[in-house]
Amino acid sequence: NSKVIQTPRYLVKGQGQKAKMRCIPEKGHPVVFWYQQNKNNEFKFLINFQNQEVLQQIDMTEKRFSAECPSNSPCSLEIQSSEAGDSALYLCASSRANSDYTFGSGTRLLVI
Amino acid sequence: GEQVEQLPSILRVQERSSASINCTYENSASNYFPWYKQEPGENPKLIIDIRSNMERKQIQGLIVLLDKKAKRFSLHITDTQPADSAMYFCAARSNTGYQNFYFGKGTSLTVIP
Repeated sequence: NSKVIQTPRYLVKGQGQKAKMRCIPEKGHPVVFWYQQNKNNEFKFLINFQNQEVLQQIDMTEKRFSAECPSNSPCSLEIQSSEAGDSALYLCASSRANSDYTFGSGTRLLVI
Repeated sequence: GEQVEQLPSILRVQERSSASINCTYENSASNYFPWYKQEPGENPKLIIDIRSNMERKQIQGLIVLLDKKAKRFSLHITDTQPADSAMYFCAARSNTGYQNFYFGKGTSLTVIP
């Protein structure tokens, strides 16, 4: 029972379709991270936010994803045009400053 | 650099023996080192962590050691049980920049009954 809520748990999209996933961070955690965990279990950092502001994102995220963390609404991560290589587990994590992460249960995306 | 190396990638041990996983990091500014356990189909869960002001920490059968000089930290699971079988990830976080964690590539631990 994670305190970080991610939806949906599973997502199936065709190539070229948009794929959107959401995350509600743990209460009181101002920092939100998105990671992609591939089939080899490797974590790839995608983007992070502090409150509503993007702190850092990788090139791929900037070009192909849109992400936001509006106040009083879930954070979201959307792939604008899904590719087969995007199939992975997308993990949202939140934290206080200088603290560990709380991970959500993840959204498992399959692009067919 | 921010890379975290984790070894071994696969570990099989007999029940009730010890299992050890080692990680090295590059960034000398790293000050927080958590360990996560991830079971199949589940999210990673924090099992133990250590901060840079400590060299050793133990929670029940889990021991973490930190050697800042060598930039190395390790997890030792004593008296392993089949329920300890899972993926284990180490991570390191710097207190500079945006506080990202840099994860090792994971160790698949199997405890043989």
